[in-house]
Amino acid sequence: DGGITQSPKYLFRKEGQNVTLSCEQNLNHDAMYWYRQDPGQGLRLIYYSQIVNDFQKGDIAEGYSVSREKKESFPLTVTSAQKNPTAFYLCASSSRTGGLREQYFGPGTRLTVT
Amino acid sequence: DQQVKQNSPSLSVQEGRISILNCDYTNSMFDYFLWYKKYPAEGPTFLISISSIKDKNEDGRFTVFLNKSAKHLSLHIVPSQPGDSAVYFCAASSNFGNEKLTFGTGTRLTIIP
Repeated sequence: DGGITQSPKYLFRKEGQNVTLSCEQNLNHDAMYWYRQDPGQGLRLIYYSQIVNDFQKGDIAEGYSVSREKKESFPLTVTSAQKNPTAFYLCASSSRTGGLREQYFGPGTRLTVT
Repeated sequence: DQQVKQNSPSLSVQEGRISILNCDYTNSMFDYFLWYKKYPAEGPTFLISISSIKDKNEDGRFTVFLNKSAKHLSLHIVPSQPGDSAVYFCAASSNFGNEKLTFGTGTRLTIIP
C-alpha cells in the first residue's frame, strides 16, 4: 500500500561523522520535504524539492544537504557542520496537481549524535 | 519571527466534551491552513484543512473555523475521545498549498476519561 518510508527508525552516530537519512515514497508525489522536530518546538523546514533534480533551502538548511535524483527518493545528509544534529527528522511529500495539497508524513528517524 | 502561533502548549478536556484548539497567524499571504495530529515518536497525521475561500470545514467529529479578519483559526473536536490525546499542530501555506508549510509549536491535548 502507498506511503512514505523512513529508515532507520533510530540512528546513532559519533560527532564529526556525516550521516544520511533515507526517505522513499510510492505516492507518485512530485514534492518532498524534510523537517526536524526538537522537544517543545514545532516542525522546522530543512529542505524541500518540488520536482526531480531541483531543491530549495528551507528555514534551517545550514549543515544539511539533499539530493533528488529520483521522484521516489529524497535522502538527507546531516553533515559534521550541523551544530546540533540530535533531533527527530521527518520526511513528507505532497501532490502538485489536483485540489488542495496536504503533506503526508513518514514515521520519522530519531538521530542521536554523541 | 513566529508566523504561526499556538499560544496554549497544553489543554485538558473531559471525555465527551468539546475540545477547542486555537491558532493565530501573522502572514496575510497565507490562504491554506491545516491541522495535524501527532503521537510521540511518529510522523504527524493530516486531520483537516481549510482554504481562505471558506470559513468552516467539517469532517466527522472535527471542524475547523477560519476568521480571516482576526487571522485566527480553531479546531473543534466533538465529542472528545481518549484516542484524541496527542499533540496538535496548526500549519499554514500560501498559494493554496503550493508553497511550503509553516507550522505552529503545537498544543498537547489530554482527554480525561
